[in-house]
Order: sequence, then C-alpha cells, then structure tokens
Amino acid sequence: IAGITQAPTSQILAAGRRMTLRCTQDMRHNAMYWYRQDLGLGLRLIHYSNTAGTTGKGEVPDGYSVSRANTDDFPLTLASAVPSQTSVYFCASSEDRGATDTQYFGPGTRLTVL
Amino acid sequence: GQNIDQPTEMTATEGAIVQINCTYQTSGFNGLFWYQQHAGEAPTFLSYNVLDGLEEKGRFSSFLSRSKGYSYLLLKELQMKDSASYLCAVRDGDYKLSFGAGTTVTVRA
Repeated sequence: IAGITQAPTSQILAAGRRMTLRCTQDMRHNAMYWYRQDLGLGLRLIHYSNTAGTTGKGEVPDGYSVSRANTDDFPLTLASAVPSQTSVYFCASSEDRGATDTQYFGPGTRLTVL
Repeated sequence: GQNIDQPTEMTATEGAIVQINCTYQTSGFNGLFWYQQHAGEAPTFLSYNVLDGLEEKGRFSSFLSRSKGYSYLLLKELQMKDSASYLCAVRDGDYKLSFGAGTTVTVRA
C-alpha cells in the first residue's frame, strides 16, 4: 500500500543522546515535511524539502537537522536531545509545495526525552 | 507568523450537526485545509477551500469567507466514529502551511 512510513513508532531517549527519526514515502512526491505536535499547540513545522537535494527551515528548526539525499527519504536528526523535544513527530509529503497541494501524513513517532 | 483560532472542544449527540469555526490572520492566502485526526493517529485530509463559498463532500461541508478570514467545517448526521480532533490549516502567501491547535469533537450516544 502506497504511503509514508516512519520509524521508530516510539522511543525513550536519554538527554544528550543523538537520535535520527526515519521517514520514507513511495508516492514519488517532491516535497516532504517534518512537524512536531504538542498538546495545545497544534502541528508546527520543523523543516521541509521542496525537492531532493534541497531543505529549508520551518517555524521551530533549532536543535534539529534534516537531509534529502533522494526523493523517498527524509530523516530528521536530533544532535543532542533535550527534554523539550519530547513530542509526537509527523512526517508528511506532497506532490509539490504549491497552492493546491495536499499534504499526506505518516503515522508518527512518539519521542520521550528524559 | 500566522494566527489561527478554533475552539478547543465541542460535544454533540449522535445524528446531530456540529459546526467548527476557524478564524485566521495570515500574510497572504493560498487556501485553507481541514484535517481529521483520531487519537494516536495521523491527520488525514478532509477538505480544501481557496474560493469563497461552500464545498460539500458527503456528510462534511467546508465554508470559506476570505474577506472575513473565516471558515467552518460542518459535520452532519454525526456518527460515533466522527469523534476526533479537527485541524484547520491555512497556506499563506509563501505557501507555508500553518495549523490551528485543533478542535476535539466528542460524539455522545
């Protein structure tokens, strides 16, 4: 079934550790996104990529980095995790980053930083 | 930044109608989306409005007034499975999508 997969499903991480959240889509979408979702704050954009080889910063990029080596994969890395990065992380993709473009979301990764 | 407001919670009875309002202030406008999110799951696309007026999709309808910065999502003939959070999202002039905090709808028997 076509769609977006994320790994891991959930993770408990010690503060200071490095962590990479994986995201893969098989829809050949050009644009990909990473969001975090926190209670009362809604979804906030961390980083995005319009196409393979390019990335951009969203609303809350500090402490996170991304890469887009190919169309399908868009990993999110926390170089040194802090408790405030405890959240649910959603990866999304869309055909292009245009006006009518609809974003489709992966199942999410629940991350707890202690 | 963008300012998107929607009520935190709403409760309705099975078979009834519920209207979820969303007001927004953005720099430029390139469309408004509604997503449904069940607890512990990913958001799923419901509707898209870019022109003023009503878009109907079965039991769900979405309305937009660009001059008022206002939209609503109308859920008719409510079913228990409609219990979920409903997210209003606005695409601004730079094509960035910003989300409201979501409205949790609880459907009671």
